[in-house]
Amino acid sequence: NAGVTQTPKFRVLKTGQSMTLLCAQDMNHEYMYWYRQDPGMGLRLIHYSVGEGTTAKGEVPDGYNVSRLKKQNFLLGLESAAPSQTSVYFCASSSRPRNVAGGEQFFGPGTRLTVL
Amino acid sequence: GENVEQHPSTLSVQEGDSAVIKCTYSDSASNYFPWYKQELGKRPQLIIDIRSNVGEKKDQRIAVTLNKTAKHFSLHITETQPEDSAVYFCAATSTGTASKLTFGTGTRLQVTL
Repeated sequence: NAGVTQTPKFRVLKTGQSMTLLCAQDMNHEYMYWYRQDPGMGLRLIHYSVGEGTTAKGEVPDGYNVSRLKKQNFLLGLESAAPSQTSVYFCASSSRPRNVAGGEQFFGPGTRLTVL
Repeated sequence: GENVEQHPSTLSVQEGDSAVIKCTYSDSASNYFPWYKQELGKRPQLIIDIRSNVGEKKDQRIAVTLNKTAKHFSLHITETQPEDSAVYFCAATSTGTASKLTFGTGTRLQVTL
């Protein structure tokens, strides 16, 4: 099993350009998440999904959109990139917990995005 | 929403010594507390977690303690080794929130020889 994969690994954009980050998981997980990681700020949740066809906003959703058309894929879109979106983006997935909170989130390798 | 604070931001210990990282949380409904380790340039990986129905959990050289009354939890690493050098993140979540994690800001642990 590949686990969680992300495409691309690196990308440089100019302000105003758009792009889509792809996350794929082969563990049949219901839940998927997009985080951004900035120095000194830990990981912050952008958007998440609890199942195919569902999405919801996280802590820092502005400037991003997501879609989950297939259970195994979770796409993160930047419609008009800004320098403030320069960051490392991590996707994660987890199974739906049964009557308890939490459960291991499995992370992808990350995408390093620079917006000039 | 939940707020998780983590201290210290950096920690340097000599090989063989113990390391302790502390986190506090604000939401009394939080009941799951994982710890993730992130090596330089790599993805975060779960190293240990604890649920609110227990006060302590151990796995070889690492342990986590939870004080629900004070709303804080700590990571303890004994007999530290150079390969323990990494950034460690605490996090919290609660039932019914789609397991959304609120992370602390991280602790960079350096184990020196």
